[in-house]
Amino acid sequence: EAGVTQSPTHLIKTRGQQATLRCSPISGHTSVYWYQQALGLGLQFLLWYDEGEERNRGNFPPRFSGRQFPNYSSELNVNALELEDSALYLCASSLYRGSNSPLHFGNGTRLTVT
Amino acid sequence: QKEVEQDPGPLSVPEGAIVSLNCTYSNSAFQYFMWYRQYSRKGPELLMYTYSSGNKEDGRFTAQVDKSSKYISLFIRDSQPSDSATYLCAFLGLTYNTDKLIFGTGTRLQVFP
Repeated sequence: EAGVTQSPTHLIKTRGQQATLRCSPISGHTSVYWYQQALGLGLQFLLWYDEGEERNRGNFPPRFSGRQFPNYSSELNVNALELEDSALYLCASSLYRGSNSPLHFGNGTRLTVT
Repeated sequence: QKEVEQDPGPLSVPEGAIVSLNCTYSNSAFQYFMWYRQYSRKGPELLMYTYSSGNKEDGRFTAQVDKSSKYISLFIRDSQPSDSATYLCAFLGLTYNTDKLIFGTGTRLQVFP
């Protein structure tokens, strides 16, 4: 079974540009979650998509947005990049939205903003 | 008071040692307790998953939950250099959706030969 896949592995952008990150969940998983992992801050919840709808977002500004496609893959867009957006962005999927459905993570996209 | 506290380490031990990793939490609604392992340049992978109190064993790994003290532990027996990674604890309430999963900041473990 293929795991969660993310692309690109690394992304270098300059301040003010836009970044697009992509995620394919495990086959059969309908929920996709995005997390930011900045140095020393741990995993911060960004967005949750389920069945094509945004279900919840974390405490991040509106320039962080995304969508989920009919095949359940997902895209995270970050507009007007700032230096502090430099982090590892992790995508995770779960089989269903219940509390007993653990998260399975991809290996992330390392975003560097210069 | 932070909802979850985890010592960042690094924790450095010799091969074969017993390792104890710990997290404390303050939210008594937490009922699901997880440990994730994250190797360098990789995403976290689920290591242990327990519901409510007690112990759960899987090979060299034992997860322990003490709800009265709001304290969870992960024990690694006969530690190996391949166990060198960052270990994240994670918590979830009984009726919460998975987006409410709360992570600790991680403890970095180094096992030297």
